[in-house]
Amino acid sequence: EAGVTQFPSHSVIEKGQTVTLRCDPISGHDNLYWYRRVMGKEIKFLLHFVKESKQDESGMPNNRFLAERTGGTYSTLKVQPAELEDSGVYFCASSQEYNRGDYGYTFGSGTRLTVV
Amino acid sequence: AQSVTQPDIHITVSEGASLELRCNYSYGATPYLFWYVQSPGQGLQLLLKYFSGDTLVQGIKGFEAEFKRSQSSFNLRKPSVHWSDAAEYFCAVGATDNYGQNFVFGPGTRLSVLP
Repeated sequence: EAGVTQFPSHSVIEKGQTVTLRCDPISGHDNLYWYRRVMGKEIKFLLHFVKESKQDESGMPNNRFLAERTGGTYSTLKVQPAELEDSGVYFCASSQEYNRGDYGYTFGSGTRLTVV
Repeated sequence: AQSVTQPDIHITVSEGASLELRCNYSYGATPYLFWYVQSPGQGLQLLLKYFSGDTLVQGIKGFEAEFKRSQSSFNLRKPSVHWSDAAEYFCAVGATDNYGQNFVFGPGTRLSVLP
């Protein structure tokens, strides 16, 4: 089966511009997560979708970040306007069955975002 | 709140040498513990996980980890390192008191392997 796909793999944008990251989860996975690693620090949780609904968005840093999941399939994470501190690697992950409790994540390879 | 520390930012070992990567966590309840590895250009790959039972956990690629509740540690070990093990390693804790299944990651340890 195909894994979790993220694109672009790299993005370089200027401060103030808008960037949209996309994640295609494994087919049939209800759960979709976004994480990011900023400036070589720890990887931090951003938000969690169950199908098309936001289950937990407590990790979203501010209202410049907007995540959507169309029809419970792929997800986008838009940063508008981008700031220098948004630079980092954005990871997406998916897993099956909500409430399964086994943390059966599959991570994508990440999108490296550089804001200059 | 949960937290994970990995005291070593960067470790260098010779190929064939043994390896131990340290991980300490802070969590009030029984933790779910994980080790992930990220090789260059790759996603995060699960090496092993501990939920309960035997405190010595075997994983993929010859790795093992031992859960020590008294020390709040979950150190990763490998008896003989291969050049392909050069990567970044992340320890993580998952909450057991909700079904959000979110991870709290440590800052990572970068492993370099000398030929």
